[in-house]
Amino acid sequence: QLQLQESGPGLVKPSETLSLTCTVSGGSISSSSYYWGWIRQPPGKGLEWIGSIYYSGSAYYNPSLKSRVTISVDTSKNQFSLKLRSVTAADTAVYYCAKIHITMIYDYMDVWGKGTTVTVSS
Amino acid sequence: EIVLTQSPGTLSLSPGERATLSCRASQSVSSSYLAWYQQKPGQAPRLLIYGASSRATGIPDRFSGSGSGTDFTLTISRLEPEDFAVYYCQQYGSSPPRFTFGPGTKVDIK
Repeated sequence: QLQLQESGPGLVKPSETLSLTCTVSGGSISSSSYYWGWIRQPPGKGLEWIGSIYYSGSAYYNPSLKSRVTISVDTSKNQFSLKLRSVTAADTAVYYCAKIHITMIYDYMDVWGKGTTVTVSS
Repeated sequence: EIVLTQSPGTLSLSPGERATLSCRASQSVSSSYLAWYQQKPGQAPRLLIYGASSRATGIPDRFSGSGSGTDFTLTISRLEPEDFAVYYCQQYGSSPPRFTFGPGTKVDIK
């Protein structure tokens, strides 16, 4: 059964770069049927899609974050990663990684990591 | 940019009652790309419905989705205690590729 696990620092200073990794287990990140995504949720608020990546490295981002975000993939480690630059307190959130199932007809996020809390504070 | 609006913001019901949750899009979306998720406190979201009306693996048949165009509905036929949670609709748009979530509907115990 495919599982996802987020990892990375829980505390980041303002203006620095938030870096998180999602490790995929129980399956291959190189499947042609999946994209891989990052989603975040500020405390007490709703969900915000950050961006997604294919195993080939093709990525697309939320326009509201695009200037600060890079998502990359490492197929040798079965991992994909998020970098968010120049963070502020508004970037404090639970960050989730997710598997995005893609077909000719449907796209949906069917497997999620448990989430990791990142706080931006000096 | 497509904006999703969910109503009501909070739905207060008793176990055994029927819950009807609405998701409205600012412009027409493909039914294929409309999904619903359930989120309980301290947990990650869980996929309930994809393609507007297809139940995800392991989802009880008391959950059903319907709708097309700009109006979509998630119905829980008889609320079980474990169904009290926040529900999000989500749409995928391909030009440019992006996902958008609605603000959520909280279903709480009356």
